[in-house]
Amino acid sequence: GAGVSQSPSNKVTEKGKDVELRCDPISGHTALYWYRQSLGQGLEFLIYFQGNSAPDKSGLPSDRFSAERTGGSVSTLTIQRTQQEDSAVYLCASSIPGQGKYGYTFGSGTRLTVV
Amino acid sequence: GEDVEQSLFLSVREGDSSVINCTYTDSSSTYLYWYKQEPGAGLQLLTYIFSNMDMKQDQRLTVLLNKKDKHLSLRIADTQTGDSAIYFCADNMRFGAGTRLTVKP
Repeated sequence: GAGVSQSPSNKVTEKGKDVELRCDPISGHTALYWYRQSLGQGLEFLIYFQGNSAPDKSGLPSDRFSAERTGGSVSTLTIQRTQQEDSAVYLCASSIPGQGKYGYTFGSGTRLTVV
Repeated sequence: GEDVEQSLFLSVREGDSSVINCTYTDSSSTYLYWYKQEPGAGLQLLTYIFSNMDMKQDQRLTVLLNKKDKHLSLRIADTQTGDSAIYFCADNMRFGAGTRLTVKP
């Protein structure tokens, strides 16, 4: 696609429910990243994929958070048993490794509100 | 873990220069980046600097890199109200907390 697409753009969920957030990276971008941006906070790194593998998932806050990527393309971030502190904007980015000067291309994010 | 740190707020008058500072810890970074996030929008790459450079100039933007001190700065000349945004410093996969630049007329 022309850009990084994230869905849904907004999600309101009840505490305790599971949610799935989707990221569709730019075609050909083999690297994919998930970040979390909380109100007044910076970007918190969650996980990095190279192809379908996740060499770095050190930023996942707890075992309620998981992510997968299939076909080297679409990625899904799943949050189980959501808590109010999970409320944030979840951003996805993609890049081509070895072309570092282009940085990352970010999606518009999914705003998650846990009530 | 690796940390990227930057001040949270900067306020300047229109026409003045803005300088946003950042410190990082990952000395293996090949590139260092500045991203801009305008209100209600996603992050966009503003500029980058290769790690073997000391300075890069791009129109009104000047990036300075001090590898010894692991210090990166972004200078915006003749700051305009349209420059009001949050600016993020990034090194590899780690981002700073963002500096909110407010430009007053």
